[in-house]
Amino acid sequence: IAGITQAPTSQILAAGRRMTLRCTQDMRHNAMYWYRQDLGLGLRLIHYSNTAGTTGKGEVPDGYSVSRANTDDFPLTLASAVPSQTSVYFCASSGAGGGDEQFFGPGTRLTVL
Amino acid sequence: GQNIDQPTEMTATEGAIVQINCTYQTSGFNGLFWYQQHAGEAPTFLSYNVLDGLEEKGRFSSFLSRSKGYSYLLLKELQMKDSASYLCAVRDSNYQLIWGAGTKLIIKP
Repeated sequence: IAGITQAPTSQILAAGRRMTLRCTQDMRHNAMYWYRQDLGLGLRLIHYSNTAGTTGKGEVPDGYSVSRANTDDFPLTLASAVPSQTSVYFCASSGAGGGDEQFFGPGTRLTVL
Repeated sequence: GQNIDQPTEMTATEGAIVQINCTYQTSGFNGLFWYQQHAGEAPTFLSYNVLDGLEEKGRFSSFLSRSKGYSYLLLKELQMKDSASYLCAVRDSNYQLIWGAGTKLIIKP
């Protein structure tokens, strides 16, 4: 693994189904983030984790949950998908330094029908 | 509320210079970031400013004025590969990034 990976690359999902988006990083970064990106809007933070074992809510957390059992993995779960959750989802990670930028995974394109 | 404003779209000519502006109103300020995002790809880091002034990195420079809540990204000697969206993001008092909607830059030959 080089950097940060996400799976699946894309997914079409029926409304009401449960879905977990996976994110793994090998940079030993403490902080990880989940964003959604919709046309005409900036990236919006869903959930974040400053370190393994802790998570926090971002700007748009409703309908999503996360866990951070270890440093490398940060899965995002949609318990019961709705069409408004159709979006491109990006996972990102960063180190602890003040100027540390966020590194992004390649994204998951999710369509909820 | 928190707000990041940047133009929706700009057009420039190959070989020219373009300046993309970003104004912000956030709860606290702990640095401003510029990212580049090609269509269908992930954002990639370009620059970081936390103090007033100009930061230069090759063909790209970024400027910050904290008193004016203003930044710009300057791209010189434009190349076709610079066609992308440019995202401005401010780290707020909670150390979370607040993102602008991005500026789509179109480069014409």
